[in-house]
Amino acid sequence: NAGVTQTPKFQVLKTGQSMTLQCAQDMNHEYMSWYRQDPGMGLRLIHYSVGAGITDQGEVPNGYNVSRSTTEDFPLRLLSAAPSQTSVYFCASSYSRTEKEAFFGQGTRLTVV
Amino acid sequence: QQQVKQSPQSLIVQKGGISIINCAYENTAFDYFPWYQQFPGKGPALLIAIRPDVSEKKEGRFTISFNKSAKQFSLHIMDSQPGDSATYFCAASPLNSGYALNFGKGTSLLVTP
Repeated sequence: NAGVTQTPKFQVLKTGQSMTLQCAQDMNHEYMSWYRQDPGMGLRLIHYSVGAGITDQGEVPNGYNVSRSTTEDFPLRLLSAAPSQTSVYFCASSYSRTEKEAFFGQGTRLTVV
Repeated sequence: QQQVKQSPQSLIVQKGGISIINCAYENTAFDYFPWYQQFPGKGPALLIAIRPDVSEKKEGRFTISFNKSAKQFSLHIMDSQPGDSATYFCAASPLNSGYALNFGKGTSLLVTP
């Protein structure tokens, strides 16, 4: 099993550019989430999905869009990148609302210049 | 607002010593309290987790102590080793939520030889 796979690992964007961070899991998990990690801030929830076709906002959703057309994939879109979005992004998945162990990907380090 | 408060921010322990990291929360709807370990350049990985119906859980050298009335929980690492040097995050998840982990800001642990 690959677990949670994120691509790319590193990305540099110019202000105003758009891009999609990819996330895929092969564990048949119902729940998937995106977090951003900033120094001294811990991990903060951006968006989450409780199943295919169902998404909702987390703590810091502004500037990001998500969709979930399949159980396996949960891409995160930056519509118009800003320097404040410079961060490390982690995708996570968990099996259900009772089986809560979250598995994280290796992260995408994004720099917006 | 930070729903889970973690301390200390950093910790230096000698090899063989006990590392203790503390977390506090306010939301009584939390029913799942995991600890994650993160090495540089990697995603967080679940170390140990506890539910509020028990006061202590031990796995090898790692123990969670949970005080429901005080709304506090802590991680104890016995016989700390240099390989334990990492960042540790506590988190909490509400009842019936498989996606929303509220993280503390993290503790950077250094175990010296």
